[in-house]
Amino acid sequence: GNSVTQMEGPVTLSEEAFLTINCTYTATGYPSLFWYVQYPGEGLQLLLKATKADDKGSNKGFEATYRKETTSFHLEKGSVQVSDSAVYFCALSEIQGAQKLVFGQGTRLTINP
Amino acid sequence: GAVVSQHPSWVICKSGTSVKIECRSLDFQATTMFWYRQFPKQSLMLMATSNEGSKATYEQGVEKDKFLINHASLTLSTLTVTSAHPEDSSFYICSARDDISGRAPEQYFGPGTRLTVT
Repeated sequence: GNSVTQMEGPVTLSEEAFLTINCTYTATGYPSLFWYVQYPGEGLQLLLKATKADDKGSNKGFEATYRKETTSFHLEKGSVQVSDSAVYFCALSEIQGAQKLVFGQGTRLTINP
Repeated sequence: GAVVSQHPSWVICKSGTSVKIECRSLDFQATTMFWYRQFPKQSLMLMATSNEGSKATYEQGVEKDKFLINHASLTLSTLTVTSAHPEDSSFYICSARDDISGRAPEQYFGPGTRLTVT
């Protein structure tokens, strides 16, 4: 079945550091890929997405590229801020039918000033 | 736009009682809503897909008689945990998919409900 594996946290960085959170997936067919962010006390929000191979999703300085050859969708940001502290979830969905989401285990990111 | 609310945000109940959790799409209509369960420091696991006006579709291993789902309108789905036991204590999260307004049909998530069964 479909699955998502992302790097274990927690991850702690200093402000303005470079961020990478690794995500790899296993899927039949060609799913859509997502990064969601969960700020403290809030619901999950879509951060970015990519729907086909070589697509790059970007938002708020974050980027991720859909790599079919390595089945990966790593999240990157060049210079993190304290306000980026949150839990980040990588996810995939089928492109047909109910489009159910399958989530990775989440990575807690803490940015220190 | 695209706000999803859940009520209550947290609830404590005694073992053997039933608890109802509401999920509402506040500014859009959703024919499809999803219910997830999240254990501490773990990922979200899909429990069921809730379809307006029809029966929910449960994931393998989820007891449909224990987790009753009703999606009676385009803005409301409810999850009832029947005869709750301590092992049902968890964080329950719903999402709603906007597949009517013409926007990209992504899922919008509620803030979650923490259930503690004593």
